[in-house]
Amino acid sequence: KQEVTQIPAALSVPEGENLVLNCSFTDSAIYNLQWFRQDPGKGLTSLLLIQSSQREQTSGRLNASLDKSSGRSTLYIAASQPGDSATYLCAVPSGTYKYIFGTGTRLKVLA
Amino acid sequence: GAGVSQTPSNKVTEKGKYVELRCDPISGHTALYWYRQSLGQGPEFLIYFQGTGAADDSGLPNDRFFAVRPEGSVSTLKIQRTERGDSAVYLCASSSAPSGGLLRGQFFGPGTRLTVL
Repeated sequence: KQEVTQIPAALSVPEGENLVLNCSFTDSAIYNLQWFRQDPGKGLTSLLLIQSSQREQTSGRLNASLDKSSGRSTLYIAASQPGDSATYLCAVPSGTYKYIFGTGTRLKVLA
Repeated sequence: GAGVSQTPSNKVTEKGKYVELRCDPISGHTALYWYRQSLGQGPEFLIYFQGTGAADDSGLPNDRFFAVRPEGSVSTLKIQRTERGDSAVYLCASSSAPSGGLLRGQFFGPGTRLTVL
């Protein structure tokens, strides 16, 4: 059974810092991993989708890496801004179509 | 539409009542998913539709929960005899990947916050 863990559960940093969010999963037989952002009271916004054949994906100040063999993914946020404050969730497939989510990392970037 | 839409955005009901939650997926997406998210948790899978049929409803917690997608587009999640423990955010997602797969990821709606008093 696939289990997903995200560390840390919460993070508070001053504006401008670079930071790393971690996601680990127990079953490495995945074909992709997706990172989402969730603002309070809102739905999920897709940030990055990494296929198993890729080792990383970049979008603006965000970079996500995937190491299937070790069951880990990291989301790197460069030069953090107060607008980055949100909960970040990672999700991995369980089977062909079902996502299993971590409990998320609640990020607060202080101005 | 441009994205997945869900209505209502908020629903407050009394214990024992019946509720319906609606999801309108991205146009052309054949796969549709419902998830439930409790406070402080990640979303948990409820049911997956490929076209009109429910291909996997293994995540529905009990027989008070039912979902339909009669024309392969809009879906309705129905909850009978609501209980306080049903209070959560119900999220809908759609995908364009063949056979409902996740190769292209999932796109989520804003969710419906259900509160059962």
